Amino acid sequence: RKEVEQDPGPFNVPEGATVAFNCTYSNSASQSFFWYRQDCRKEPKLLMSVYSSGNEDGRFTAQLNRASQYISLLIRDSKLSDSATYLCVVNSQEGYQKVTFGTGTKLQVIP
Amino acid sequence: DAGITQSPRHKVTETGTPVTLRCHQTENHRYMYWYRQDPGHGLRLIHYSYGVKDTDKGEVSDGYSVSRSKTEDFLLTLESATSSQTSVYFCAISEFKDRGNEQYFGPGTRLTVT
Repeated sequence: RKEVEQDPGPFNVPEGATVAFNCTYSNSASQSFFWYRQDCRKEPKLLMSVYSSGNEDGRFTAQLNRASQYISLLIRDSKLSDSATYLCVVNSQEGYQKVTFGTGTKLQVIP
Repeated sequence: DAGITQSPRHKVTETGTPVTLRCHQTENHRYMYWYRQDPGHGLRLIHYSYGVKDTDKGEVSDGYSVSRSKTEDFLLTLESATSSQTSVYFCAISEFKDRGNEQYFGPGTRLTVT
């Protein structure tokens, strides 16, 4: 089993829709979690950090489910500009330098 | 945006030649990383640094070496480039505080080995 797994998509959704992605991780000792956004041929950019039970930032909500070992990203009122690949990232130990990246979920928001 | 630059941004080189990629930061962050990104693999860690002259291997370090002589610069060297090292290389920085290992990435270097 991969350390971090994501559905590659693509998820094709109309503007204004709500879309959710899940990411599963294999190491139950994982301590911190992140969502990054990556546009085509660009660098990944930090979207949200996910701690304890989750957090919200505008239209974006990230949730952590430790019992089932997954994190989710919910995007409400999708915009065309949300089209990108969303990377799930897991940090196995608090303070540990290495993180593991998922291969990403591609989102395409359609007019 | 975090102050991270990478040079060169694009490079085409021949098999067997040495190549050095440079990452420069203006954030004074302690940790620096080199990743490669290939289709189907996501980002994979090559090497990282936790201070000047302090480096360690990542999961795909074979064929690569690094050096960090100053806080702001982290160099990645391909001693003898091979076609399997054709990839996009990203540098990242982080500074562990209360929010864990949030990493910030440079714009990337597209390397083609012919």
